[in-house]
Amino acid sequence: GNSVTQMEGPVTLSEEAFLTINCTYTATGYPSLFWYVQYPGEGLQLLLKATKADDKGSNKGFEATYRKETTSFHLEKGSVQVSDSAVYFCALSDRNTDKLIFGTGTRLQVFP
Amino acid sequence: KAGVTQTPRYLIKTRGQQVTLSCSPISGHRSVSWYQQTPGQGLQFLFEYFSETQRNKGNFPGRFSGRQFSNSRSEMNVSTLELGDSALYLCASSQGGLAGVTGELFFGEGSRLTVL
Repeated sequence: GNSVTQMEGPVTLSEEAFLTINCTYTATGYPSLFWYVQYPGEGLQLLLKATKADDKGSNKGFEATYRKETTSFHLEKGSVQVSDSAVYFCALSDRNTDKLIFGTGTRLQVFP
Repeated sequence: KAGVTQTPRYLIKTRGQQVTLSCSPISGHRSVSWYQQTPGQGLQFLFEYFSETQRNKGNFPGRFSGRQFSNSRSEMNVSTLELGDSALYLCASSQGGLAGVTGELFFGEGSRLTVL
């Protein structure tokens, strides 16, 4: 079945460091891919998405490129801030069941 | 525009009891999905309702049930609570149709259930 695998956390960085959170997927067909973010005490919110191969999603300085050849959708940011501390979830759409399938989440901690 | 509202935010129950959680979606959204979030398992899909009909179901036992009302508000119920049911229960709404394609789910802050 379809699945999403994320790197284990926590990821601990200093402010202004470069961020990469790895995400790979297994899917039949051509899913859409997403990154959601969950700030402390809040629900999840959509950060960015890509709907087809080679698409790049971007928002708030974060970027991710849909790589079909490597079945990956890694999240990157050039310079993280303390306010980016949160849990990040990679997800894919299952077009057959119309469900979103989430990874286990990666906690990011940014220190000043 | 009001967001997704979940009640109660926190609750404590004992084993064997039952619990009902409520979710009010964003106005105009017809689809409501429920997820269970735990540190070990991440986000697990429970079920989704669209126009009062259960459209999708995850792999949870029959103790977990839900329903949706004509105003799109949804409730989920867990009967005969077990310690392992302790989790954050998240509700998400979307305009409906192919939410899995657009991925634009709007989440509430969750109901944190502790089972003692």
